[in-house]
Amino acid sequence: TQLLEQSPQFLSIQEGENLTVYCNSSSVFSSLQWYRQEPGEGPVLLVTVVTGGEVKKLKRLTFQFGDARKDSSLHITAAQPGDTGLYLCSGNQFYFGTGTSLTVIP
Amino acid sequence: GAVVSQHPSWVICKSGTSVKIECRSLDFQATTMFWYRQFPKQSLMLMATSNEGSKATYEQGVEKDKFLINHASLTLSTLTVTSAHPEDSSFYICSASPAPSYNEQFFGPGTRLTVL
Repeated sequence: TQLLEQSPQFLSIQEGENLTVYCNSSSVFSSLQWYRQEPGEGPVLLVTVVTGGEVKKLKRLTFQFGDARKDSSLHITAAQPGDTGLYLCSGNQFYFGTGTSLTVIP
Repeated sequence: GAVVSQHPSWVICKSGTSVKIECRSLDFQATTMFWYRQFPKQSLMLMATSNEGSKATYEQGVEKDKFLINHASLTLSTLTVTSAHPEDSSFYICSASPAPSYNEQFFGPGTRLTVL
């Protein structure tokens, strides 16, 4: 099993603040995915990164894949209450990180 | 497109009984389906990989005789939790990978199992 550690595990912030979630591993991945999951639902894919150093933007979300393809970060600018959820990174599709539970307070 | 459904969405059963959960790809053919388990506020743990027409491949620590997986067609996989116990209570999620692509998976909405 390839371990992916996410930090922080829990995060509660005010609307409008910025935040960064980290996903770290000692393993090298050919691809890394970020998902958002709401309670009682399945995860929804946000992005896939495949190239070391790659940066992808999705509206207020910025995803970066580490140069060595062992880690990744998710930065949210001006968080909204609709961003609330469980954020999961996944290496090579099937091995999920420990998760970051984000709550954005209006 | 790429919709995956699960049935039932929630189930409550008595200890010792068996429960079957269905996972269907509604608008594509899925050569491979995956079953995950998720405890409250925790991440997804891959239980097994299911290929159409062949035996499932189980992750280390997952009892294959307890969690029976059948993938009889390109659109349907089933997970049967046999002789369920309270510790089997969890959120079970399936995903499906479109044939012939193995590079993406689409998740079902999950099934909440509660064993009394």
